[in-house]
Formats: sequence, structure tokens, C-alpha cells
Amino acid sequence: QAVVTQEPSLTVSPGGTVTLTCGSSTGAVTNGHNPYWFQQRSGQAPRTLIYQTSNKHSWTPARFSASLLGGKAALTLSGAQPEDEAEYYCLLAYSGVGEVFGGGTKLTVL
Amino acid sequence: EVQLVESGGGLVQPGGSLRLSCAGSGLTFSWYWMYWVRQAPGKGLEWVANINQDGSAKHYVDSVWGRFTLSRDNAKNSLFLQMNSLRAEDSAMYYCAAKGAAAGDFWGQGTLVTVSS
Repeated sequence: QAVVTQEPSLTVSPGGTVTLTCGSSTGAVTNGHNPYWFQQRSGQAPRTLIYQTSNKHSWTPARFSASLLGGKAALTLSGAQPEDEAEYYCLLAYSGVGEVFGGGTKLTVL
Repeated sequence: EVQLVESGGGLVQPGGSLRLSCAGSGLTFSWYWMYWVRQAPGKGLEWVANINQDGSAKHYVDSVWGRFTLSRDNAKNSLFLQMNSLRAEDSAMYYCAAKGAAAGDFWGQGTLVTVSS
């Protein structure tokens, strides 16, 4: 099964900008992998921030954006807030096989 | 308000079985791909299985293939995961999720499965 890689940890200053990435062991991430991004705060269930590469839900703060960047899926946070401190996971779909989560990025706002 | 409520978790001995259920409300259940995702204590999320809107397509992670069976009952807004031949490494919080893209994506609060003698 494919391996999906994310940065284990990142730190951003309050008000700062940070980009999290999501790569695939099978090659470049494309829209065909239907990338999703999830946020999981400590002790809580995950929630979906981004679907289908770059689409936001109504509850997704405007400071989050997502795209494909350099062969990876990318989640950018612009203007970090203390409440953005969380674990972030990406999910990629592999046609006919299933889906795989990345290992998660622990984001610290400090 | 959309709610997904999981149930059926608990303590089971290795080799035993459990049946997890997920009851949906506040959403048109038949519109959604449904998922089970698990998270071992202190670990990341692991995709376990998914099923399409009418139940005709199912996919499983390799580690549960042949042991877990996913099903759904759209008339009852319910999703099920029959887990057999359970192993210690199956111990985790099991989350039910509804994946609907523009229709919304929703998660339950999870049910805890512990496999131990």
C-alpha cells in the first residue's frame, strides 16, 4: 500500500504563515488523488477542512487554503491563530484500492 | 444539525468479534460515501474501510481484509462494521465519517475498541 508523507511537526508564530505538505510514495500528487485535509485538536474528533484538493467547507476559516504544489498537496495557513494549534492530516485516494492518511503534522502556534 | 453516533465498542479478547454501528441523523445518509477511520492511542489516523452510496463498492485496508466486513442500511441511516478475529493491534478509537464533498463531510465522536486478554 502507498505511503503518504507529511512533516511530523511545524511551528508558526501567531499571525504568521505556514505551509504543510502531503506527498505520495507513488509519485506526484494530482487532483486524481482527491486530496482532503483534516484538523484534529487535542482530545477531539477530526474535522474536515478541505475536500477535493482546494475546496473549503462553510466551517473552514478563510485563513486556510490548499492547492497542489511541487508534486504534493499543500495546506497553507495565513495569519495563524492560537486555536489553529492542532494535528493536521491529509488523505489521498488510490483508484480501486482505497485511501491512505498521512502520518500527520503537529502544528504549534508559538 | 448533522450527527453521527458510533456504538458497539468495548473490551474483547484476542480472536473475538465486535459489531460497530454508526447512526446518522440530520443528513441524507444515502448521498454519502461512508468511512471507518481508527486511531490507536497516541497515534495518527488510519483509514480502515469505505463503502459507496448504495453499498455496491467497498474497500478495506490490507490489515483488516478478510476479517472486517462493512455494510450499510440507508433506510435506517446506519453503517456497520463487523469485526472478527480481532487482534491487539486493532485496539483504537473507531470513528465513523460521512464524505460528501460539497454536500458536507461529517465525523462522529468515536467508539473505543480494546482487544486484550
